[in-house]
Amino acid sequence: SQQGEEDPQALSIQEGENATMNCSYKTSINNLQWYRQNSGRGLVHLILIRSNEREKHSGRLRVTLDTSKKSSSLLITASRAADTASYFCAINQGGKLIFGQGTELSVKP
Amino acid sequence: SQTIHQWPATLVQPVGSPLSLECTVEGTSNPNLYWYRQAAGRGLQLLFYSVGIGQISSEVPQNLSASRPQDRQFILSSKKLLLSDSGFYLCAWRNRGGLGETQYFGPGTRLLVL
Repeated sequence: SQQGEEDPQALSIQEGENATMNCSYKTSINNLQWYRQNSGRGLVHLILIRSNEREKHSGRLRVTLDTSKKSSSLLITASRAADTASYFCAINQGGKLIFGQGTELSVKP
Repeated sequence: SQTIHQWPATLVQPVGSPLSLECTVEGTSNPNLYWYRQAAGRGLQLLFYSVGIGQISSEVPQNLSASRPQDRQFILSSKKLLLSDSGFYLCAWRNRGGLGETQYFGPGTRLLVL
């Protein structure tokens, strides 16, 4: 499979802690994207990192990409209860996005 | 600004009945359009995508079909639903061109086949 694969599958933390989610993939990529999905809702794009980038920030989000290891990580700093959601990485394959199975993040107040 | 609509939000259908889910996009022209299915607690499976009116690519063999009668309208259909068709169906669009640019998702339709 060439899809992104996230780990852990589920993560439970306390408010204020940092949350780190990882994504591994098997094929060469042009970019990798991270999406968030609140329960029962559509996905929302968080951040895109290109293959020539190693790190990217957006607010409390920090994404890294290691193309030699074919892996990416999403770090959410100072988590809030409202960050509770599922997070998916997605890689481009011929113009289509292939999604991983996601990490379910629970942030307890 | 661009918006994407899906309806209905929830649907309960008996096995063997037909299905029609509609997705429309506003505020953009010539988008690429996508239908995904998401099983409970799982990732998204790409079902169909379209790069233009009447152009449909199917990703997996199944009981479903898709049509694009207008530039910003994407319809997912079935003649006879199966129990295994239950799931959360998401429509998405992105600007044509570029490589794997951001996709924008609709709110989804939850389908329960009984």
